[in-house]
Amino acid sequence: DQQVKQNSPSLSVQEGRISILNCDYTNSMFDYFLWYKKYPAEGPTFLISISSIKDKNEDGRFTVFLNKSAKHLSLHIVPSQPGDSAVYFCAAPSGYALNFGKGTSLLVTP
Amino acid sequence: DTGVSQNPRHKITKRGQNVTFRCDPISEHNRLYWYRQTLGQGPEFLTYFQNEAQLEKSRLLSDRFSAERPKGSFSTLEIQRTEQGDSAMYLCASSLRTGPRGTEAFFGQGTRLTVV
Repeated sequence: DQQVKQNSPSLSVQEGRISILNCDYTNSMFDYFLWYKKYPAEGPTFLISISSIKDKNEDGRFTVFLNKSAKHLSLHIVPSQPGDSAVYFCAAPSGYALNFGKGTSLLVTP
Repeated sequence: DTGVSQNPRHKITKRGQNVTFRCDPISEHNRLYWYRQTLGQGPEFLTYFQNEAQLEKSRLLSDRFSAERPKGSFSTLEIQRTEQGDSAMYLCASSLRTGPRGTEAFFGQGTRLTVV
């Protein structure tokens, strides 16, 4: 059973606009969340994380918001750039494992 | 390049054959993970090593799969009697962070296995 869900397989955004990628989780014991970015033929690379004691974490153009009551988090990219085109995975640790969502493929068009 | 290195990058094998993949983690990282990714899915956890000790195994790791990390350095993942369902990208990751979270792991480029 998928404990981390990304229900949008793909998203297309114009360059300069905001990209919003969503993630839902079912396990209320999760207390830390990560976003990874993956280009074709490469492994995932860590992007940003958030602890459940916060509701927002910002790093440059990337901001992650956490709504614990809704078991929902989102990644905002502002402004979006063509180089941001990649697959984005939401993940949460459980034991030593990372539980990943299925990913959202973001395409930023010029 | 001082990142996580995986070899081979691609492997095509006939059903029933054995295959072995190698992972060289970032040198100072004591934690090493294996994941599997199939088309349209996120990476799925297979197993975890802390130094040379294998501390966690997923139920996905059937009896045909075995992983080792001798001397706490490189790791190998062997699949015996491969099946077509084993076709996937096998990802290795390493991290240095203490505590049980296994966060912010650095991934290699993966080994793509195709079983024909």
